Amino acid sequence: AQKITQTQPGMFVQEKEAVTLDCTYDTSDQSYGLFWYKQPSSGEMIFLIYQGSYDEQNATEGRYSLNFQKARKSANLVISASQLGDSAMYFCAMYDHYKLSFGAGTTVTVRA
Amino acid sequence: DSGVTQTPKHLITATGQRVTLRCSPRSGDLSVYWYQQSLDQGLQFLIQYYNGEERAKGNILERFSAQQFPDLHSELNLSSLELGDSALYFCASSAGRAGVKDTQYFGPGTRLTVL
Repeated sequence: AQKITQTQPGMFVQEKEAVTLDCTYDTSDQSYGLFWYKQPSSGEMIFLIYQGSYDEQNATEGRYSLNFQKARKSANLVISASQLGDSAMYFCAMYDHYKLSFGAGTTVTVRA
Repeated sequence: DSGVTQTPKHLITATGQRVTLRCSPRSGDLSVYWYQQSLDQGLQFLIQYYNGEERAKGNILERFSAQQFPDLHSELNLSSLELGDSALYFCASSAGRAGVKDTQYFGPGTRLTVL
């Protein structure tokens, strides 16, 4: 089974600054997919960004980008120009034989 | 709005009871997934259906069952409820044909409280 590790339980970031959320994974598969989701305090899970193991470029989606380092098995999420609305829990996940395996999540609090 | 709908949003019930959670996938999606999110276990995969057939099973208790109907909506049935079943239950949907690229879109969740 795939394993996802998020070692930062909580982070504080100043508004308008960038923040990097760490995610490492363990898999023996050559082809795999990594996902990031955001869960605000309201509870819904919002898909943010996807990175495929064979993608040549690091994924970007607006203010979200992935720092994908395949050899290190890491897929860190970078949120640029943080906004108050970015305060939420962020989950890293990996496609694992039809299901998603999730990390424990990182709570981000954006300060004004 | 992900396009995945779940009802009810909140459910409060007593131990020993049975409840049904309902999910409608995004238009065009054939796969439906159920996840349970609790404070102690995190996000756990329960079960997946693809076009009406069970495709993958996770840590789903025998007291829990699910199905996907011909119109592709899905129901998760939880019976003989225990206090520990209190959690946020998510339904997600995806196209189901994209392999590792298959993005799952989550519904708003059903918060179940067992008293």
